[in-house]
Amino acid sequence: GQQLNQSPQSMFIQEGEDVSMNCTSSSIFNTWLWYKQDPGEGPVLLIALYKAGELTSNGRLTAQFGTTRKDSFLNISASIPSDVGIYFCAGRLQGGSEKLVFGKGTKLTVNP
Amino acid sequence: GAVVSQHPSRVICKSGTSVKIECRSLDFQATTMFWYRQFPKQSLMLMATSNEGSKATYEQGVEKDKFLINHASLTLSTLTVTSAHPEDSSFYICSAEDREGEKLFFGSGTQLSVL
Repeated sequence: GQQLNQSPQSMFIQEGEDVSMNCTSSSIFNTWLWYKQDPGEGPVLLIALYKAGELTSNGRLTAQFGTTRKDSFLNISASIPSDVGIYFCAGRLQGGSEKLVFGKGTKLTVNP
Repeated sequence: GAVVSQHPSRVICKSGTSVKIECRSLDFQATTMFWYRQFPKQSLMLMATSNEGSKATYEQGVEKDKFLINHASLTLSTLTVTSAHPEDSSFYICSAEDREGEKLFFGSGTQLSVL
């Protein structure tokens, strides 16, 4: 079953605002990956995290691997209209298989 | 990042026919590929893990005779939806792990519509 809690489920923001979303779990993860999916397309990898406490940026995007290894967040600064889409977190469980566990996604709408 | 090509992007077929979807890793070898199914406004649901040179591992509740997976080479995995029915209509997405097995890259997906 679903082991990741991703929030918020949806966000409506104005262009230029910053955005924050997160994923939490009661389980410990070895890897956190953040993806963006546009309608009718496959998810595109944004950021990959491998160590507790790791903070990684990709342009206006910043993601962190929580120190407890049970959570991760993604921040988008100065949002633009093309940031619209669904953002998914995914994690690989400690001691688990190679399979990724996915969050349910955060749908982001940016009003120009 | 690595490139995963999925084809076709969209297919419409009659009920009872079979449909084959191809997934290729273009610039790297993938010993493991994954097939997902996604319903509208929902997350990705893992269907099966495709291993090069061996049988696929199916998730609970996924019919292996319905969804045939072949991973004949290190760069190609195929998913065949056999005797498709309207309830099989969905968005199917493949993915492949990079060499280090750390990152997962997705294809662009296939929208299957069964009439």
